[in-house]
Amino acid sequence: EIVLTQSPATLSLSPGERATLSCRASQSVYRYLAWYQQRPGQAPRLLIYDAFNRATGIPARFSGSGSGTDFTLTISSLEPEDFAVYYCQQRSNRPLTFGGGTKVEIK
Amino acid sequence: EVQLVESGGGLVQPGRSLRLSCTVSGFTFGDYAMSWFRQAPGKGLEWVGLIRIKTYGGTTEYAESVKGRFTISRDDSKSIAYLQMNSLKTEDTAVYYCSRDPDSSGYFDYWGQGTLVTVSS
Repeated sequence: EIVLTQSPATLSLSPGERATLSCRASQSVYRYLAWYQQRPGQAPRLLIYDAFNRATGIPARFSGSGSGTDFTLTISSLEPEDFAVYYCQQRSNRPLTFGGGTKVEIK
Repeated sequence: EVQLVESGGGLVQPGRSLRLSCTVSGFTFGDYAMSWFRQAPGKGLEWVGLIRIKTYGGTTEYAESVKGRFTISRDDSKSIAYLQMNSLKTEDTAVYYCSRDPDSSGYFDYWGQGTLVTVSS
């Protein structure tokens, strides 16, 4: 099973600041990695797939990068609605696995 | 508008069974693989299993934690996916989500709102 480790666990930032979230895989997942946003009480929302492709309707302030074992989700300028938990997910191998999440909270 | 609605959750005793449904609208259900996920209270996301479209045999895959106890099925005529959960354990307590998988990509673009399953005596 591929283990995804996200860091930091919590990121405390102010609106307008840049957020950089990391996801590291225990073995190469090539570019087969997605990012999801989950707001409290809501279902996950697909943001990025295949490492850097934005899903339909996702604002340009969200961007993904990386390949192999190291990936980054960047939010260029935080909006109030971006304070949430973010998960990475790999589809390179079964079982599909998720990282433990990074909570982006208001400083 | 694409919608997925889970139902069937509730309180159940350990060892008993429960069947969840995922009723969809707004897209051609038979064209999409479907997956189930769960999220224990205050925890992260866990993939439970998937069912492929009939073109690929409607075959299923499961996480090791539920293999042999959970079964996913689909009724394309009713646009419903099911998760049959048997021999439930306290550690199965979670919000269960269904989601569609466009092009069997392994990514999930629409999710239901979830249904809570509580396994407790």
